[in-house]
This record gives sequence, structure tokens and C-alpha cells, in this order.
Amino acid sequence: DAGVIQSPRHEVTEMGQEVTLRCKPISGHNSLFWYRQTMMRGLELLIYFNNNVPIDDSGMPEDRFSAKMPNASFSTLKIQPSEPRDSAVYFCASSPRRDSPLHFGNGTRLTVT
Amino acid sequence: DQQVKQNSPSLSVQEGRISILNCDYTNSMFDYFLWYKKYPAEGPTFLISISSIKDKNEDGRFTVFLNKSAKHLSLHIVPSQPGDSAVYFCAAIPWGGTSYGKLTFGQGTILTVHP
Repeated sequence: DAGVIQSPRHEVTEMGQEVTLRCKPISGHNSLFWYRQTMMRGLELLIYFNNNVPIDDSGMPEDRFSAKMPNASFSTLKIQPSEPRDSAVYFCASSPRRDSPLHFGNGTRLTVT
Repeated sequence: DQQVKQNSPSLSVQEGRISILNCDYTNSMFDYFLWYKKYPAEGPTFLISISSIKDKNEDGRFTVFLNKSAKHLSLHIVPSQPGDSAVYFCAAIPWGGTSYGKLTFGQGTILTVHP
């Protein structure tokens, strides 16, 4: 069990650039979640998928953010254009069932200058 | 509007003693609660959970207590070990929630256990 794999671990970019964060969930897990951690707001849910279908994207801050899950083993979170206030740690997590706790990846630390 | 609150940003205890981490919530619709532990540069890992139909759940050195009338829960670690030093997050799920992954987190408490 390799765990949830996120890439890159660190990303530094300039304001206005497009940023793509990647996630590989644990094999067999059918739910995938994107969370963001900031000093001001703590850990907050952005979006989650069940069986590759977006179920709830009410936490996505604005249209600059988009997420996709083209298959059961891969998801992306894209920010276009990026802004300094997007600087945060972005976590991906997966779970095998509706009533199971989450398994988190180690996160991507995004810095937008 | 913070629905899950951990009012102590940090806690320091001696190895072997009890650590008590506290969490308060305001949303009466929450009915399932979890604790996660997080080490630096890692993602949170699940520790223990409790349903609102219980007032206590125990797993080894870790016990979670729930007081629904006070909207308060606590995590007890006995005995505390230096390896328990981490950030502890309280999280909640509302009744009828579609997924145990749709969590509302507290701000976290940094626990430091001194040898």
C-alpha cells in the first residue's frame, strides 16, 4: 500500500501562472477529496469525487479553481490564473467507502509570488 | 463562523502523564466526530472516532469522550509518549452526511510531550 501520492511536493510560481496539482489515490478507494490548509481558515474541503464523479464542489473558492478525475487512479486540481492568496498546502485524500476515515497524502505546498 | 473549535493552540506535557485535548462544536447537527494526528510535512492520519450515540470510545492509549449536552469532546492520551508530539485536529460530520470524508475541522492543537 503506497498510500495517497501527491505531486509535486512543493510548487513556487508567479502570480497569473497556471498551476496543476496531481493526486493518485490508494488503489480500490472510490472516493477522493481535495482539502486546503491555510493559517487563516485551517483545513477546508474544496471538492470531492465518488466513483470519479464530482459530488460536492461547494468549497471551491472561485472559478479559477477546477478539479478533474479522468479515471479511478488520477485526479488534478488546477488554478488558473494563480494569485498570492492561493498560497497554501493542498491535500488530497481518499477512502474506500462512504463510512471510512480518510487517508491523506503528504500535501503540495504552493507558494504564489 | 467556526463550527468546530479547539481553543488551546498548544499543550505541553511530561512523558508518562496524561494529555487532554479539547474540542467544542456549535452545530447541533454534527453526529460523528473524529480525531486526526499530523506530523510536520505529512498529511493528517486518522486516530480515533466516536458516534453521537456513544459517550466514550477507547483504542489503546487513546480515549475520546463526548458530552453532547455541552457540545464538547476531548481526547485523552495515557500515558503520553514523545512520539505523540504532533498537531491534533478534531473534525465533525453532520447527521445524514453523504460521506465521512466531508469533514469540518478545528484549527488544531500542537501537543509537545517532553522526555
